[in-house]
Amino acid sequence: DTEVTQTPKHLVMGMTNKKSLKCEQHMGHRAMYWYKQKAKKPPELMFVYSYEKLSINESVPSRFSPECPNSSLLNLHLHALQPEDSALYLCASSQQGFPNQPQHFGDGTRLSIL
Amino acid sequence: EDQVTQSPEALRLQEGESSSLNCSYTVSGLRGLFWYRQDPGKGPEFLFTLYSAGEEKEKERLKATLTKKESFLHITAPKPEDSATYLCAVPINQAGTALIFGKGTTLSVSS
Repeated sequence: DTEVTQTPKHLVMGMTNKKSLKCEQHMGHRAMYWYKQKAKKPPELMFVYSYEKLSINESVPSRFSPECPNSSLLNLHLHALQPEDSALYLCASSQQGFPNQPQHFGDGTRLSIL
Repeated sequence: EDQVTQSPEALRLQEGESSSLNCSYTVSGLRGLFWYRQDPGKGPEFLFTLYSAGEEKEKERLKATLTKKESFLHITAPKPEDSATYLCAVPINQAGTALIFGKGTTLSVSS
């Protein structure tokens, strides 16, 4: 079992739907991340939150909207997605500081867009 | 351009047949190198962090080493349960929060 919990595990939605992915960690980490992973590809960074503030947006389309309500929670709001957005969405968290600390991943949400 | 390259893409071993996976990197100022294991349908599981050339870390049948240009993940006497995709990643920003991953090596160990 991982210490980063993601819900739901699977999500099927139409292109006009609005849904949200949720991520929770209780390790006291102050950095949280969203990644997108397509089949047989490595994870690709989407967003980074540091101390609950958005610090990196890797030019992600606006149909993906992240939110960090507090230091333990991270959401990804989805609206008007395209079929090519079907992928595994991974959440991760890490401590901040020097030296750089490893990121710990959840098991992801498998998203399918109809 | 910052880049991480892993080889081979796929590796098939017999149980007990030791081998090594390679991760070469080109980044301006290494701020750590991370190894992960990923099983199908799961998120990456953290294995090791290496910070400086010459550093080595071990865990069960796995040993990770680091030079100035590459890292190796040595697998000694592998078992079928070691079958997975192994990913390496390096941070490319000062804060260490933006990771780029190699494409991974998919290891299959047969009994």
